[in-house]
Amino acid sequence: AQSVTQPDIHITVSEGASLELRCNYSYGATPYLFWYVQSPGQGLQLLLKYFSGDTLVQGIKGFEAEFKRSQSSFNLRKPSVHWSDAAEYFCAVVPNAGNMLTFGGGTRLMVKP
Amino acid sequence: NAGVTQTPKFQVLKTGQSMTLQCAQDMNHEYMSWYRQDPGMGLRLIHYSVGAGITDQGEVPNGYNVSRSTTEDFPLRLLSAAPSQTSVYFCASSRGQGFGELFFGEGSRLTVL
Repeated sequence: AQSVTQPDIHITVSEGASLELRCNYSYGATPYLFWYVQSPGQGLQLLLKYFSGDTLVQGIKGFEAEFKRSQSSFNLRKPSVHWSDAAEYFCAVVPNAGNMLTFGGGTRLMVKP
Repeated sequence: NAGVTQTPKFQVLKTGQSMTLQCAQDMNHEYMSWYRQDPGMGLRLIHYSVGAGITDQGEVPNGYNVSRSTTEDFPLRLLSAAPSQTSVYFCASSRGQGFGELFFGEGSRLTVL
């Protein structure tokens, strides 16, 4: 079955440390790829998206993600985490020429002072 | 600029009761959708609409009805509430179907006793 997997349910990092959140997908062709962030009690906000071209994409709030076709991955990174980054992060995909955005299970990020 | 507005924010129902979750957007978006969010499962698509008068089922449509009589409004109806429908519901809209940025409402938390 086609799916989106976020292996880490919870991650805790210290403020100022680097961050990498993992996302893997299992689709035959390269899908369209997205990362969303959900702050407590809020809806989701788009961080970045990949459709084609340069495999390293920049997003808002200092986040970036790298698409690796060989690993079917689209990991989210940030060089230095701020306390305000504490939130839940969702990877999502739309199969190429498909019409439904499918979400991973989410990774909850906690930031230690 | 209101964006996507959902009402109510909280609701408690008894098993068998019916209710409607309201969703309205003021961005003239063609595409609207309803998701439910459950712990560890990410967001799952219930129903979506690509324009007024057009709706289709998503991944988990059973027990829910939708209609799209105007571009702005996309209500979600629970016909006979069940405890399994206890969840947080999000309405989202976008210009394009699945390819553009999804704009989310703040969510409606529903508890079915």
